[in-house]
Amino acid sequence: EDQVTQSPEALRLQEGESSSLNCSYTVSGLRGLFWYRQDPGKGPEFLFTLYSAGEEKEKERLKATLTKKESFLHITAPKPEDSATYLCAVHSYSGNTGKLIFGQGTTLQVKP
Amino acid sequence: DTGVSQDPRHKITKRGQNVTFRCDPISEHNRLYWYRQTLGQGPEFLTYFQNEAQLEKSRLLSDRFSAERPKGSFSTLEIQRTEQGDSAMYLCASSLLLVGGNSPLHFGNGTRLTVT
Repeated sequence: EDQVTQSPEALRLQEGESSSLNCSYTVSGLRGLFWYRQDPGKGPEFLFTLYSAGEEKEKERLKATLTKKESFLHITAPKPEDSATYLCAVHSYSGNTGKLIFGQGTTLQVKP
Repeated sequence: DTGVSQDPRHKITKRGQNVTFRCDPISEHNRLYWYRQTLGQGPEFLTYFQNEAQLEKSRLLSDRFSAERPKGSFSTLEIQRTEQGDSAMYLCASSLLLVGGNSPLHFGNGTRLTVT
């Protein structure tokens, strides 16, 4: 069964303090790994898609990387507006629906 | 890009009542998904449509839940005889099936259901 585990569950950083969020996955075959940002009371907002080990994507202070077993979301010099829950999800080859299996998320709080 | 729209944003109902939620996907998207999210958890897949056909349902979707997508446009999710355990955020997402694969899922802001 496809499974996604994120760690830590919660992370508190000072503004400017860089860190990484982890997403470990087990799937029958990876079609894509997705990162989303979710603000309280809102739906997830798409950030990145990664397809193969070694791939990297960047957007402002965020960089996502992918290996055969896990993905990292690196946050460089975060600002308070980066505070949100970050969700990782996988799309596997079991079925052809495009559905995503999500992890439980990492809630990031960045203090000024 | 008007995004995925969901209505209502909030719904409070008494146990045993029926509720219906609506989702309007991004207009050119042919795939539509319903997810459920409880506090502190990631979204859980409920069901999926390609155009008007419902092609997959999760084991989570009991007989009290039914979803439709008439004419392959908007979708409705109905919950009959609601229970307190149904309290959650119900999220709708849409995507476009491309030759090379699926576009990312784009989510609406959800309907927050509270069953008292």
